[in-house]
Amino acid sequence: SYVLTQPPSVSVAPGQTARISCGGNNIGGKSVHWYQQRPGQAPVVVVYENSDRPSGIPERFSGSNSGNTATLTISRVEAGDEADYYCQVWDSITEVKVFGTGTKVTVL
Amino acid sequence: QVQLVQSGAEVKKPGASVKVSCKASGYTFSTYDISWVRQAPGQGLEWMGWINTFNDNTHYAQKLQGRVTMTTDTFTSTAYMELRSLRSDDTAVYYCARESSTSSSYYFHDWGQGTLVTVSS
Repeated sequence: SYVLTQPPSVSVAPGQTARISCGGNNIGGKSVHWYQQRPGQAPVVVVYENSDRPSGIPERFSGSNSGNTATLTISRVEAGDEADYYCQVWDSITEVKVFGTGTKVTVL
Repeated sequence: QVQLVQSGAEVKKPGASVKVSCKASGYTFSTYDISWVRQAPGQGLEWMGWINTFNDNTHYAQKLQGRVTMTTDTFTSTAYMELRSLRSDDTAVYYCARESSTSSSYYFHDWGQGTLVTVSS
């Protein structure tokens, strides 16, 4: 089965930039989606199809995808960005939706 | 606006079954598929399976094959997930999620509030 690997944690100071990686075999050939999950809440999609943002998501959230790594970038980090973040792809071979292992973002 | 409202928390004994509901509103139910995702305490997200709300086709995660059944009631715009032969490691928050499609993929645009299922003797 397809595996997506994320770093367990990322720490960033307010106003700085956080980058969260999502590694997978030739992930650049897939469409990657990103979710933010605050404690006790359901996930919310913040980036879909590698780099598109749903309405209502700040421009500070952006995504890229190439080779074996996709990246979610959060610019000008705010305290409210502290949450768990998950990448997700659809594996067309097995028709399975796959989530990454998740990254906890801590705002210092 | 789109809403997915799930049924309340459940406590079950090992070996029992649980059926969680997800009532949709704010859109035409049969035009978007529903996935179920669960999250064990302190753990990540795990996709359980998917149901086509138009024709009731399903696809389940391999590890749950034989224990899970997903159904819909189009008249009430409600999706259901039943999990049988419950074990302690099935303790989790269960989410329904409305799928959106892109040119080459699927993602989860809207989520229910989650239903905590606790399996304990």
